[in-house]
Amino acid sequence: DIQMTQSPSSLSASVGDTVTITCRASQSISSYLNWYQQKPGKAPNLLIYAASSLQSGVPSRFSGSGSGTDFTLTISSLQPEDFATYYCQQSYSTQLTFGPGTKVDIK
Amino acid sequence: QLQLQESGPGLVKPSETLSLTCTVSGGSISSSSYYWGWIRQSPGKGLEWIGSMYYSGSTYFNPSLKSRVIISVDTSKNQFSLELTSVTAADAAVYYCARQTYEYGGLYYFDYWGQGTRVTVSS
Repeated sequence: DIQMTQSPSSLSASVGDTVTITCRASQSISSYLNWYQQKPGKAPNLLIYAASSLQSGVPSRFSGSGSGTDFTLTISSLQPEDFATYYCQQSYSTQLTFGPGTKVDIK
Repeated sequence: QLQLQESGPGLVKPSETLSLTCTVSGGSISSSSYYWGWIRQSPGKGLEWIGSMYYSGSTYFNPSLKSRVIISVDTSKNQFSLELTSVTAADAAVYYCARQTYEYGGLYYFDYWGQGTRVTVSS
């Protein structure tokens, strides 16, 4: 299996901050990396697919980059509705795996 | 607008079989370029992919659950189903169904999700 790790596991930030979350794969996954946002009690919501493609309807303050083993999700100008948990997910292998999540809360 | 809705018992006894159904509305489960998947989330934990299927019936599973999982489809009802046998307390979770869009070269992503259904395992 391809193992996914995320850092940090949690962070505190203020409205207006720029936040960067890192996801690392245990082997190269090319650009087969997706990012999701999950709020408490809700299903995950797709933000970014193929490492850097913004899903329709997702605000442009969300961006993704990276390839190979290292990826980042950046949230520019953090908004109150962005406080949530973020997960990466790889599809390079048919054994789909998610990262453990990064919780973004209010400082 | 595509919608997915999970249904099934919220309480399952240990050693029994968990059975859930996902009803898809606003689109056809038989559409090409889409797989349909099940994902679960144990209390306070992260997301675990269980398995996925294509409308033709082809399936693939998380190796850690493969021996206990059956995923099937009923195209006439626009539904797909999950069966997880011999459940234990470790299988207690919120279970989500989701559409899994397939793109070039093997890129898959879950772009539509059900709201999730909580399953408790207890006698």
